[in-house]
Amino acid sequence: ILNVEQSPQSLHVQEGDSTNFTCSFPSSNFYALHWYRWETAKSPEALFVMTLNGDEKKKGRISATLNTKEGYSYLYIKGSQPEDSATYLCAFKAAGNKLTFGGGTRVLVKP
Amino acid sequence: SQTIHQWPATLVQPVGSPLSLECTVEGTSNPNLYWYRQAAGRGLQLLFYSVGIGQISSEVPQNLSASRPQDRQFILSSKKLLLSDSGFYLCAWSDTGLTEQFFGPGTRLTVL
Repeated sequence: ILNVEQSPQSLHVQEGDSTNFTCSFPSSNFYALHWYRWETAKSPEALFVMTLNGDEKKKGRISATLNTKEGYSYLYIKGSQPEDSATYLCAFKAAGNKLTFGGGTRVLVKP
Repeated sequence: SQTIHQWPATLVQPVGSPLSLECTVEGTSNPNLYWYRQAAGRGLQLLFYSVGIGQISSEVPQNLSASRPQDRQFILSSKKLLLSDSGFYLCAWSDTGLTEQFFGPGTRLTVL
């Protein structure tokens, strides 16, 4: 059983502030690390697929970094807005087709 | 473009009753298909995945089964529901390789 942990489980952010949170995963047999954004009453949507150690991806005010040697990825939200409120899921992919999801970090941005 | 459909959107079933949830994908061929469940307060747990017609891999022992009778159809079933089967069920598809998975709208199942 692969252990994919996300922390914190939830966080409250004031509008305009920046924040970040962590996904940790096995450092061996790494293939890819996925980030998804899951808004209430909607389906999870892919944010990033990261494959290389040191990878950095950016989409608007959201960015992510990857360290495969130590087994962690950070997701950053710059200048948080209320529409950023969602659960952010990371998923680890070893060889094969399966993703193992973390428990998610629920972000609530307060105006 | 590709789309993924799930139905029903919500379902309330008594304990011991059967279950059938359906997922269909349009606009792609030979997709990998997945069933996930989110139990209350938890992340997404992979239940089944399929790389082709009739090919099903089960991830966790449970009260559920899956079938893939057609290339773009994936069905989640149970003969007798348990209270612990309550949760939010998501179907997803992907191409092979590193591509992301695309999720359906989900089914909220409540077993009473």
